[in-house]
Amino acid sequence: EAGVAQSPRYKIIEKRQSVAFWCNPISGHATLYWYQQILGQGPKLLIQFQNNGVVDDSQLPKDRFSAERLKGVDSTLKIQPAKLEDSAVYLCASSLARPYEQYFGPGTRLTVT
Amino acid sequence: AQTVTQSQPEMSVQEAETVTLSCTYDTSESNYYLFWYKQPPSRQMILVIRQEAYKQQNATENRFSVNFQKAAKSFSLKISDSQLGDTAMYFCAFMKREGKLIFGQGTELSVKP
Repeated sequence: EAGVAQSPRYKIIEKRQSVAFWCNPISGHATLYWYQQILGQGPKLLIQFQNNGVVDDSQLPKDRFSAERLKGVDSTLKIQPAKLEDSAVYLCASSLARPYEQYFGPGTRLTVT
Repeated sequence: AQTVTQSQPEMSVQEAETVTLSCTYDTSESNYYLFWYKQPPSRQMILVIRQEAYKQQNATENRFSVNFQKAAKSFSLKISDSQLGDTAMYFCAFMKREGKLIFGQGTELSVKP
């Protein structure tokens, strides 16, 4: 069984530029999560999708971050415009019916200069 | 709001010995899950062990076991017969039924030969 795929693995941009990350969950997994992990901290949930509907986006900075999950499969997370404090690893995870079995992707490391 | 605290930023252990990582959490919920995740330098978040709050028996997975003290809101991880491959960041995490994981700050474990 293929795992959660993310791309790119690394991205360097200048502040005020825009960037997008892509996540392909495990086949059949209805729930998809995006987490932000700042260096030296634990991951923090940004947004949770159930199929293509948003379950929780309470910690998503909506003035600059957006996310979508078209057709309930792949998802993209976008930052526009990026700030220095957005430098972090962005982790995608997915789960089937049981939320306590989340499988994580390898993450995208974003550096904003 | 739920919080998770890991009071040991760094720990080290000799190969083949036993080490215990500490975690405390705060919640008013009665039904929840607790987790220990391992994150090696590759950044892939790997589930080590899971505990369901309504189960009194402590979870075990091979060399990994937990000491779950619900009244004290404590959830420690014991690694027996430590191996070099256990070197990683370890995160304690809390989850309510809905699936949102709340992570601690992490403990960096080094296993020395």
